[in-house]
Formats: sequence, C-alpha cells, structure tokens
Amino acid sequence: DTAVSQTPKYLVTQMGNDKSIKCEQNLGHDTMYWYKQDSKKFLKIMFSYNNKELIINETVPNRFSPKSPDKAHLNLHINSLELGDSAVYFCASSLRQTGNYEQYFGPGTRLTVT
Amino acid sequence: KQEVTQIPAALSVPEGENLVLNCSFTDSAIYNLQWFRQDPGKGLTSLLLIQSSQREQTSGRLNASLDKSSGRSTLYIAASQPGDSATYLCAVSSNTGKLIFGQGTTLQVKP
Repeated sequence: DTAVSQTPKYLVTQMGNDKSIKCEQNLGHDTMYWYKQDSKKFLKIMFSYNNKELIINETVPNRFSPKSPDKAHLNLHINSLELGDSAVYFCASSLRQTGNYEQYFGPGTRLTVT
Repeated sequence: KQEVTQIPAALSVPEGENLVLNCSFTDSAIYNLQWFRQDPGKGLTSLLLIQSSQREQTSGRLNASLDKSSGRSTLYIAASQPGDSATYLCAVSSNTGKLIFGQGTTLQVKP
C-alpha cells in the first residue's frame, strides 16, 4: 500500500497557466510538508501543515498556495506558472510536528514549465 | 542560519568496500538528524534518524554517528553492494519539524 502518494507524477504546462498537485497520506500522520527539489537536486522546504493548520511558510512566492482539506491531504496550487517553477515537488508526512519522528516522502511530481 | 554540507559530492567504489559519507552542519541546536536515500527519479527513503541526545544508530549494514558539538555526522556503509548505488542525503531538523538538507553524495558501487 502506498504510504504517501502524489498526483500527477509528471506535469508539463505553459507559462502563465495555473496547476495543482495533490498529495495524500494513509499513515494517519498529523503533519504534512511540501518540498521543492531544483535542477541541482537541492531540496528545500516550502510549507508544513499540522492538523490542517499552516505551521511553516518559507519564503515562497504567493503564487503558491497550499490547501489542506483534512489532515490526510495537502494539495499545492500554483498560479501564473513561471519557467523557474520547473522542479520536482515532493510531499512528505510525519506522525507529529514535534518529536523525533521520521518524515516519509512521496514519489515526487516533476513539473516542467515551457 | 543553518547550513548543511555533504562531502564528497560523488563517490565511486568497487563492490565490497566499506565507505563513509560525511555531513556537517553549522548550528548545533538541532532536534535530530536524518539520513535518506534517493534513487534516480524516485522519492526519498528514510534510512536512519538520530536524536540529538544520541551518538549513533544502526540498521543492518548502515551505521550513522552524530557529534552535535562539532556539527558532524557520518554514514558508514559496510560491505557495499551495487544495490547501494543512489544519492544519500543528510538533513537536520529543528523543533518545528523543518528539515534542512545537504546537497547529497551520489554513490556508485561497481560490481
């Protein structure tokens, strides 16, 4: 059974479009995250939600808006896509926000903006 | 500002060798440190988590150590196998759960 799943796996779109990436975890975890991995493979956190509440919001353009309808889902909506948004986006979850809990990652969504 | 550095960036070894991957961090006020493995085109798999109060953790052929005061961690892989070929990422966690990653070490184990 897939623990953290993301859809779609690949997303190719043109500049200026709006797109969404969905994430679901079936682990019963309280906390979910979005990370961005750039072309140099560097991973950086974007957002964190704990029980549907925004906890971490790094310096991310406000074109990026996360939404957590329930604690098992954390979706990422991106408005007015730019070339620099091309990257692999990873969703992750952990049992709790604080404490020594491992983070479990999804398979990633490769976004290409042309 | 916390920064995490991994050395070397790439490593190629013959099968059977024991090897060490290094990770250093600038701020010793960490909550824990995690080592991950990433295969090409795949997500991250957690290998080991070391709490800030611990010195090491072991899982099979993997052993991770932590020296918080000097800001260093090592991942020791014993008797390497071709299946160990992947990128290994080190990440430190603050008490908010935020992970800060190093750039990774890409390992190739040759048969």
